[in-house]
Amino acid sequence: DAGVIQSPRHEVTEMGQEVTLRCKPISGHDYLFWYRQTMMRGLELLIYFNNNVPIDDSGMPEDRFSAKMPNASFSTLKIQPSEPRDSAVYFCASRVQGAISGNTIYFGEGSWLTVV
Amino acid sequence: DQQVKQNSPSLSVQEGRISILNCDYTNSMFDYFLWYKKYPAEGPTFLISISSIKDKNEDGRFTVLLNKSAKHLSLHIVPSQPGDSAVYFCAAKLAGSNYKLTFGKGTLLTVNP
Repeated sequence: DAGVIQSPRHEVTEMGQEVTLRCKPISGHDYLFWYRQTMMRGLELLIYFNNNVPIDDSGMPEDRFSAKMPNASFSTLKIQPSEPRDSAVYFCASRVQGAISGNTIYFGEGSWLTVV
Repeated sequence: DQQVKQNSPSLSVQEGRISILNCDYTNSMFDYFLWYKKYPAEGPTFLISISSIKDKNEDGRFTVLLNKSAKHLSLHIVPSQPGDSAVYFCAAKLAGSNYKLTFGKGTLLTVNP
């Protein structure tokens, strides 16, 4: 069974360019999360969706960041325009409703973003 | 303001000995705590968890201890193995929020053969 799939795995872009990160959650999972990992702040939750609807976007750093989930099997995180301080690893994760414990949160392998 | 703190960025332990990773939190509304393990170039994977109504949970070589009065939890690995070398993240869940986890910055554990 395929896990959470993220693309691209690595992205190097110039400051000011638009960046789009993609995620395919595990089939049947109805929660999707976007996290960002940096040395300074560790793992931060940016936004999460339930049944394709954004529930909490309080972690999105600023208006340059946006996320969408047009259907149950696809989500995007967009940064426009990108800045060097956006350089980080971006993780997508998914889980299925009803589980009490956290052991059903599955992370993708991450998208390594470098903005130069 | 970090609500979940892992004050040791790194820890080095000899194979066969015990590894103790520590985590402190500030929000008394956290009701569930988790440890995740992360290898380089991979996503975090769930390791072990504990509810705030308990003070201990064991799973094989892994034990998590929770001291609510001190707002402190720890992960014990015994015996430590070289394959345990990874970054360990402590995470906490707010009561009433099933799915929103707050993570610490992580501790890099190195187990030397």
